Amino acid sequence: QKEVEQDPGPLSVPEGAIVSLNCTYSNSAFQYFMWYRQYSRKGPELLMYTYSSGNKEDGRFTAQVDKSSKYISLFIRDSQPSDSATYLCAMMVNQGGKLIFGQGTELSVKP
Amino acid sequence: GAVVSQHPSRVICKSGTSVKIECRSLDFQATTMFWYRQFPKQSLMLMATSNEGSKATYEQGVEKDKFLINHASLTLSTLTVTSAHPEDSSFYICSARPGGGTEAFFGQGTRLTVV
Repeated sequence: QKEVEQDPGPLSVPEGAIVSLNCTYSNSAFQYFMWYRQYSRKGPELLMYTYSSGNKEDGRFTAQVDKSSKYISLFIRDSQPSDSATYLCAMMVNQGGKLIFGQGTELSVKP
Repeated sequence: GAVVSQHPSRVICKSGTSVKIECRSLDFQATTMFWYRQFPKQSLMLMATSNEGSKATYEQGVEKDKFLINHASLTLSTLTVTSAHPEDSSFYICSARPGGGTEAFFGQGTRLTVV
């Protein structure tokens, strides 16, 4: 079993839709949770960062962490074609530790 | 945000030759740098972690004699793929973390093709 599981998609939605991306994990020691966006043939860029459980909102993006269920989510409201990319969840045990990535979900937002 | 520059962005080399990839933190000092490998439609697989001035720590299954990592300064790390073979063709990405920081900043990646 992989430490971090993520549905690879692809996921296709119409413009304006609400998108839900999810990851599950097995290591209960993870405390830092990130979501990265990666455009084709580019390096990942950090979208959201959450420590421990709870919600965090930044514009159209909301990240949720449920440590009891070992489940994290990223919601994108009013999705735009420019949101089309691969979204990777990542997590680590300690500040300064190594990041463990999910497989990434390929998202396509159609105009 | 902080900028990490990775060079070259794309390289084609002949089988048996060596290739060096550079990763520079442009506006911060990176005490730790990470090197990843990514196959198409797959996740980033950590290859090694390097701290400035010390030997890199390689993940299980990564050949340290094949993938030479040098982190000689707080702003530069290099990955050298030695005696490259077609199966080494992949997308290699570095990331750099400032001292005491949580966030790691990624380079743009290097597409290596071995022919």
